[in-house]
Amino acid sequence: DAGVIQSPRHEVTEMGQEVTLRCKPISGHNSLFWYRQTMMRGLELLIYFNNNVPIDDSGMPEDRFSAKMPNASFSTLKIQPSEPRDSAVYFCASRTGTVPGTEAFFGQGTRLTVV
Amino acid sequence: GESVGLHLPTLSVQEGDNSIINCAYSNSASDYFIWYKQESGKGPQFIIDIRSNMDKRQGQRVTVLLNKTVKHLSLQIAATQPGDSAVYFCAEIVNAGNMLTFGGGTRLMVKP
Repeated sequence: DAGVIQSPRHEVTEMGQEVTLRCKPISGHNSLFWYRQTMMRGLELLIYFNNNVPIDDSGMPEDRFSAKMPNASFSTLKIQPSEPRDSAVYFCASRTGTVPGTEAFFGQGTRLTVV
Repeated sequence: GESVGLHLPTLSVQEGDNSIINCAYSNSASDYFIWYKQESGKGPQFIIDIRSNMDKRQGQRVTVLLNKTVKHLSLQIAATQPGDSAVYFCAEIVNAGNMLTFGGGTRLMVKP
């Protein structure tokens, strides 16, 4: 298995533009997580899905952020409009449901820079 | 003005020495804990985990200790190597749920 695959690896965009980050979880994993990592706030959980359904989105900073999981093998995190303070590394992770004792596997991350 | 970054505790050890990285958690309902290692430019990588019904678990060169009384978790790395240099995070899951929450991280620097 190739692991969790995120694209793009790097994204530079201008303030006000729409940004879409993509994630392909590990096949067979039915939980998917989006995290944001910054120097100021560390690793923050933004939202997670279980069986393609959003379970907890309390970490999503504001309405400019939205996430979807149309099927078990694909998720997107969208920022519209983007702002410089959204600059961060965004990680996607997947896990085998709620089985105790199973860790989450992370992708390589998308480094977003909003100028 | 200049922004203040997250101050990561740093542990500096000599190659070959043992390292101990500590983590405090606050939720007594946390029942599953994981240690992750993050190297520069990469995503967090699983090292070892432990369930709340255990107080110790050993892997290859790593040991995790759990003290539920004081809500403390530690990661011990034996014979630390330069390749162990990274940021280490503890993470917890509450009540057999699914939300994985991370601590602030500790930077381990290994001196040759």
